[in-house]
Amino acid sequence: EAQVTQNPRYLITVTGKKLTVTCSQNMNHEYMSWYRQDPGLGLRQIYYSMNVEVTDKGDVPEGYKVSRKEKRNFPLILESPSPNQTSLYFCASRPGGTYYGYTFGSGTRLTVV
Amino acid sequence: LAKTTQPISMDSYEGQEVNITCSHNNIATNDYITWYQQFPSQGPRFIIQGYKTKVTNEVASLFIPADRKSSTLSLPRVSLSDTAVYYCLVGERTGGFKTIFGAGTRLFVKA
Repeated sequence: EAQVTQNPRYLITVTGKKLTVTCSQNMNHEYMSWYRQDPGLGLRQIYYSMNVEVTDKGDVPEGYKVSRKEKRNFPLILESPSPNQTSLYFCASRPGGTYYGYTFGSGTRLTVV
Repeated sequence: LAKTTQPISMDSYEGQEVNITCSHNNIATNDYITWYQQFPSQGPRFIIQGYKTKVTNEVASLFIPADRKSSTLSLPRVSLSDTAVYYCLVGERTGGFKTIFGAGTRLFVKA
């Protein structure tokens, strides 16, 4: 089944403890992206990647890192999580070209205490 | 990236046709218009995308006037399961990968 898989689905962590949220897609998509969703603020783009080793900042990149060493994987790294990073995170991917939308993962609900 | 404006919420009844209009006055020549649907605690799901005139798929139709400053998502004969938030996006284009989701339109379908 074609899908974007995120892990974990739920995570509670403490301030300052480094964590990684994994994202993997099996559709050979070129483009991948991370979003966070907060009540009243909608979906905001954190980082995106156009291909292996090519990434760029979205609207809210502060406090996050990403890497794209393989086409299928696009992990989101929080080096020192803070409570304001408590949110619902979505990874998404799409093929190249102009006529396709993103396929989203099921989401990761992160709580930083 | 062009900013979009949509109604915050809409109500409808089962079996009715629902039209959600999105305003994007600053759309650029190369911009496409994309609509997503999102259920609570799930990732958005791509519904339809278009550049001009009319696009139809098995789920919805997208109407885009000649000036492209607005677009209308049409959902035929909605059911309770169509209750969701619908987002209009403008700006995905070749070489451009930033996406901006607005607040979306919360559609509530009643029995």
